[in-house]
Parts: sequence; C-alpha cells; structure tokens
Amino acid sequence: GESVGLHLPTLSVQEGDNSIINCAYSNSASDYFIWYKQESGKGPQFIIDIRSNMDKRQGQRVTVLLNKTVKHLSLQIAATQPGDSAVYFCAENPPALVFGKGTRLSVIA
Amino acid sequence: DAGVIQSPRHEVTEMGQEVTLRCKPISGHNSLFWYRQTMMRGLELLIYFNNNVPIDDSGMPEDRFSAKMPNASFSTLKIQPSEPRDSAVYFCASSVQGATEAFFGQGTRLTVV
Repeated sequence: GESVGLHLPTLSVQEGDNSIINCAYSNSASDYFIWYKQESGKGPQFIIDIRSNMDKRQGQRVTVLLNKTVKHLSLQIAATQPGDSAVYFCAENPPALVFGKGTRLSVIA
Repeated sequence: DAGVIQSPRHEVTEMGQEVTLRCKPISGHNSLFWYRQTMMRGLELLIYFNNNVPIDDSGMPEDRFSAKMPNASFSTLKIQPSEPRDSAVYFCASSVQGATEAFFGQGTRLTVV
C-alpha cells in the first residue's frame, strides 16, 4: 500500500520579507534550544542556539525567541533570501540533540 | 578541515545483506552521533558516543543494528540483515562534548531492495 509521508509545514515567503518559523518543545528541563537548517541533499547545519535562561538571542539576520511559559521557540529571519530556502529544525539540548519535525521554508523570488 | 566524512554516499543492497556505513568525525571532536532520516519519522537519533564509549543506544531500532567506535577517528554503523524498511538517509555528526553545535556529514543514502 501507499505509505503516508511526514507532512512538513511549509512557509512561503517573498524574497526580502521577514520569516518567522515556530516550534513547540516538550522538555522543560532542556538547557539549550537550537535551530538547524537543512538544505536539499545535505546534512543539518547549526544556525543559532539559546540558553534556557534567556528569552532572546540575535545573530546575523536571525533572531531566536524563547517563551518557556508556553514552551515555544521561534526563529526570525530578516530580509529572507533565496539561499534561505531549506528545512528548519528546532532541537533540544546537548549532549544528544533531539530534533523536531521541521518546517520547510520556500522563498519566492 | 574536511568536516565529517561519511562513506559510501549511496548504497543499494538486497534484503538480507549486511550493510556497513562508515564515519570519520572532525579531528578533536569527542562526541559522535548516528542519526537516521526518513519521510515517515523525520530525523531520529540512533546512538551516540562520548570518547569512543557508547552512551545512549536507546534509539537503535533492533538487534539488527550495531555501532562501534574503535578509535577517535572512526565509527561504523552496521545493519545485518538489512530490510527494505531500513531504507533511509543515515547521518553521522560530531561535536565537542556538550556543545550545541554538531557538525553533520553529507549522509549515506541507503536503499534496500
């Protein structure tokens, strides 16, 4: 029979606009929350992390927000570019990263 | 540094055959992880090592799967016997122990027919 694949949420964004990717986590004891990016045919790549005692951290064109009250994590990408098209995963904690299901970001040129 | 090196990049094998996937972590990294990625289940942690010692293998699906790390620069993931449902992309990653940034290899795409 036909297998049912994992349905990834998809976010389509116009080039130059800002993107917001959301993630819900389950483990309140996690020390760190991390965002990874996976381009087609490649392994996941680290973007940014945030320690559990922080609520915001900024990087180059990216900002991660952490809301521990509702166990929510978001990644904001400013001025989205075609090269940002990828699947984005949130992950919890070292030592071993536990990845969420991922969100596909599609940038429309 | 060449990054994490996995071999082979692609493997097609017949059901029942033994498959061995190989990984060379980044020099100086003392944590190594094996992940499996499928459309059905996403990215799953299979096993990880710290200083060549297996720490958590609870993600290894069955006894058919085994992983070794004989030294700091080499690890293998073996499937014996292989089954069609093992078809997936297998990633190896390495990091400094406790770091949030893990470096992934390009993956091995395994197809079991």
